Amino acid sequence: DSGVTQTPKHLITATGQRVTLRCSPRSGDLSVYWYQQSLDQGLQFLIQYYNGEERAKGNILERFSAQQFPDLHSELNLSSLELGDSALYFCASSALGGVYNEQFFGPGTRLTVL
Amino acid sequence: GDSVTQMEGPVTLSEEAFLTINCTYTATGYPSLFWYVQYPGEGLQLLLKATKADDKGSNKGFEATYRKETTSFHLEKGSVQVSDSAVYFCALSDLQRLRLSGSRLTFGEGTQLTVNP
Repeated sequence: DSGVTQTPKHLITATGQRVTLRCSPRSGDLSVYWYQQSLDQGLQFLIQYYNGEERAKGNILERFSAQQFPDLHSELNLSSLELGDSALYFCASSALGGVYNEQFFGPGTRLTVL
Repeated sequence: GDSVTQMEGPVTLSEEAFLTINCTYTATGYPSLFWYVQYPGEGLQLLLKATKADDKGSNKGFEATYRKETTSFHLEKGSVQVSDSAVYFCALSDLQRLRLSGSRLTFGEGTQLTVNP
């Protein structure tokens, strides 16, 4: 158990809908990262927050947004969903935002868009 | 941009066989290198890491050495077990050269390892 929790574990929805994925980092970790794992794109970095502020951005679509709240949990919002958004979404956390800090991964949320 | 290339899988071995999974990288800066493992139905776990050239990361019998001259970080294990069956990801982390610094992980494609008894 990494100490990172993600809810829900599975999500099935329809095209055009909007969903919210939630992540609680390890106790004391200030950085939260979101990654998408799909068969065709592999594991891709989406976005990072550090202590409530956006720190780094990857290949995140404009339909996707995220935020980190004062209690340090984070939410990833996916809207106008398309079939291609079906994937495993991982959250990770680390103590700081620097290069050397190990990232601890949650179990993931599997999103299926029908 | 940064990239990581892993040997194509899947890899199937017998128990106690020697394992090598090749990993090479391209990075503009001076990255830290990692191997993560993903067991079925689980998230990623850090297996080992190396932060500078010639560093050797090791854990649970797995080893990898940071080779700057060949831009490689190959994963090795002398004697694999059935319990090592999983997907292995090579990754790098480098500071972005942007106003907002960060430490995203860039992953390779993953290599599925199956160890048969």
